[in-house]
Amino acid sequence: DTAVSQTPKYLVTQMGNDKSIKCEQNLGHDTMYWYKQDSKKFLKIMFSYNNKELIINETVPNRFSPKSPDKAHLNLHINSLELGDSAVYFCASSHQHEASSFHNEQFFGPGTRLTVL
Amino acid sequence: GDSVTQMEGPVTLSEEAFLTINCTYTATGYPSLFWYVQYPGEGLQLLLKATKADDKGSNKGFEATYRKETTSFHLEKGSVQVSDSAVYFCALSELYKLSFGAGTTVTVRA
Repeated sequence: DTAVSQTPKYLVTQMGNDKSIKCEQNLGHDTMYWYKQDSKKFLKIMFSYNNKELIINETVPNRFSPKSPDKAHLNLHINSLELGDSAVYFCASSHQHEASSFHNEQFFGPGTRLTVL
Repeated sequence: GDSVTQMEGPVTLSEEAFLTINCTYTATGYPSLFWYVQYPGEGLQLLLKATKADDKGSNKGFEATYRKETTSFHLEKGSVQVSDSAVYFCALSELYKLSFGAGTTVTVRA
């Protein structure tokens, strides 16, 4: 059984288009994340959601709009795509310990490779 | 904010060689530390973790010890295999996010 799944795996589109990436986790976790991996493999947090509430928005342009319809899903919609948006986008999830959030092991999806032409 | 500095690669080794990837961190609190691995064309998998000082994480022959005095979490494996070829990421946990090092590409040749 897939723990964290993303669709699509590959996405090729033209500049200016709008696209969405879907993420689902079946681990019963309460926190979900989006990370961006650039062409040099560098990984950076974009968003964190806890119990469907936005917790972190790491200076991401407002063309990116995450949506969490329930705790098991966190989708990413991107408007007016730009060349610089080309990257691999990873969804992840974790369970936040009540006493502390500092021990969270995150489980990652397989990634969505977005190519903007 | 908290950050991770990781030895840059690429690293190329022969099978059965010893592998070390250095990782140091800066943090104001007491984060947990992780090593994740990304095999070609795949997502990230947790390789090992340590949640407090002096903890040793281990998995698949890899080890790393959380050293508070040197703020380090170096990854080691005594005898690498071709199947260990991957990108390795050191990471630390902050509130609701992981901060990653730049990644080290390791290639093991037969």
